[in-house]
Amino acid sequence: GENVEQHPSTLSVQEGDSAVIKCTYSDSASNYFPWYKQELGKRPQLIIDIRSNVGEKKDQRIAVTLNKTAKHFSLHITETQPEDSAVYFCAAVITGGGNKLTFGTGTQLKVEL
Amino acid sequence: DAGVTQSPTHLIKTRGQQVTLRCSPKSGHDTVSWYQQALGQGPQFIFQYYEEEERQRGNFPDRFSGHQFPNYSSELNVNALLLGDSALYLCASSIDRRSGANVLTFGAGSRLTVL
Repeated sequence: GENVEQHPSTLSVQEGDSAVIKCTYSDSASNYFPWYKQELGKRPQLIIDIRSNVGEKKDQRIAVTLNKTAKHFSLHITETQPEDSAVYFCAAVITGGGNKLTFGTGTQLKVEL
Repeated sequence: DAGVTQSPTHLIKTRGQQVTLRCSPKSGHDTVSWYQQALGQGPQFIFQYYEEEERQRGNFPDRFSGHQFPNYSSELNVNALLLGDSALYLCASSIDRRSGANVLTFGAGSRLTVL
C-alpha cells in the first residue's frame, strides 16, 4: 500500500521567516495531495491541495509544489505568523472509488516572536 | 450548516469492553470515512462507507466494524477494547465523485481512553 514520509517532525522559525515541509510518497498511482493543519485539540483543516496534473499551486502565503518523477511534494509557508503554529499533515490519495487518505506523520511548526 | 458532528466527544472504557462512536456527515455529503489518530501520529484510515456498505478498509482487525444508515450517518464499533485502542477517532465526510478527488471535511473527533 501507499506510504508517506514527512520531514521534519518539528520545525521552529522566527516570525516572518519561511517554513518548508517535505513529503515523499511510494505509490506512483497517487494523484491527489492535500495538506491539513491541526491545532491542538482541534480537527484537521484542509489548507491547500494539489492534483497530479499541476506542478505548483499558491494561495496567498501558502504554496505547494509537486515533483511526480521524484514522488516528492512540499508545503511552503512565507511570512510566517504565530497563528501558523500547529501540526501540519501531508497526505496522498489514489482517487476514484474510495479516496482513502494516507497521511504523513506530521510536522509540529512553532513560529516564535 | 453544522459540518461533521461526532459523539461522544470523550469517553473512558476498560479493557475488554465495547464502544460505539457516532458521526453525522456534513449536509449534502454521502460518504463517511473513519480514521484513528494516536497521540503524536497522523490519522490512520479505518474504513469508508458509501451507500450503506463498507467500500474500503484499512489495516484494522475485525474488532473494528461500522455501519452507515439511510440518512448517511455512521457508527464505528470497537469490540474487546485493548489499551492500544486509546486514540482520537475522526470521522470525515465527502461527496462521492467517481472522477476526481473527494475533499474531506473532518469532525472534531471522539477521544477514547482505554484503561
